Amino acid sequence: RKEVEQDPGPFNVPEGATVAFNCTYSNSASQSFFWYRQDCRKEPKLLMSVYSSGNEDGRFTAQLNRASQYISLLIRDSKLSDSATYLCVVRGIFHGSGNTGKLIFGQGTTLQVKP
Amino acid sequence: EAQVTQNPRYLITVTGKKLTVTCSQNMNHEYMSWYRQDPGLGLRQIYYSMNVEVTDKGDVPEGYKVSRKEKRNFPLILESPSPNQTSLYFCASSRGVYGELFFGEGSRLTVL
Repeated sequence: RKEVEQDPGPFNVPEGATVAFNCTYSNSASQSFFWYRQDCRKEPKLLMSVYSSGNEDGRFTAQLNRASQYISLLIRDSKLSDSATYLCVVRGIFHGSGNTGKLIFGQGTTLQVKP
Repeated sequence: EAQVTQNPRYLITVTGKKLTVTCSQNMNHEYMSWYRQDPGLGLRQIYYSMNVEVTDKGDVPEGYKVSRKEKRNFPLILESPSPNQTSLYFCASSRGVYGELFFGEGSRLTVL
């Protein structure tokens, strides 16, 4: 089982739609969670961190469910410019040595917003 | 402007010809890391460095070497490239291991 799993999509939605992505992680002791955005053939960039209480940034809402070990990203009122791949990222646990705080990337979910 | 710079951005080479991909950051970050990205596999960590002269293996280190002699530079070395190292490579850095990770623009490498 992969440490971080996402539905690769693609998700094809019309402008103005609401779309939600889920991501599951296998290690219950994982410490922190993020969504990164990656445009075609470009570098990933941090979209938002995901907090236990849930957090919102404009049209984007991220939520964490530790009991079920998944995180979600909700995009409201989709824009053409939202077309990209969204990477779910989980930070590993602190071991005291070795790869402390390692970031583990999901393979990404592709969103295509159409006019 | 704060940035992570990789070179070359594109490279086609042949099996066995040693090459180096350079990475430099101007943010005084302690942590630097190399990833490769392949279709269906996502980003996988090759090597990382917690600070100068401190490097360690990631998930897929075979066939690669790194060094961290200066804080700003973290080159990736392929001593004898093979076709299975054809990939898109990203260098990244952050302030400490828990900081936001900033990526370079990527280096697309093809090994024939």
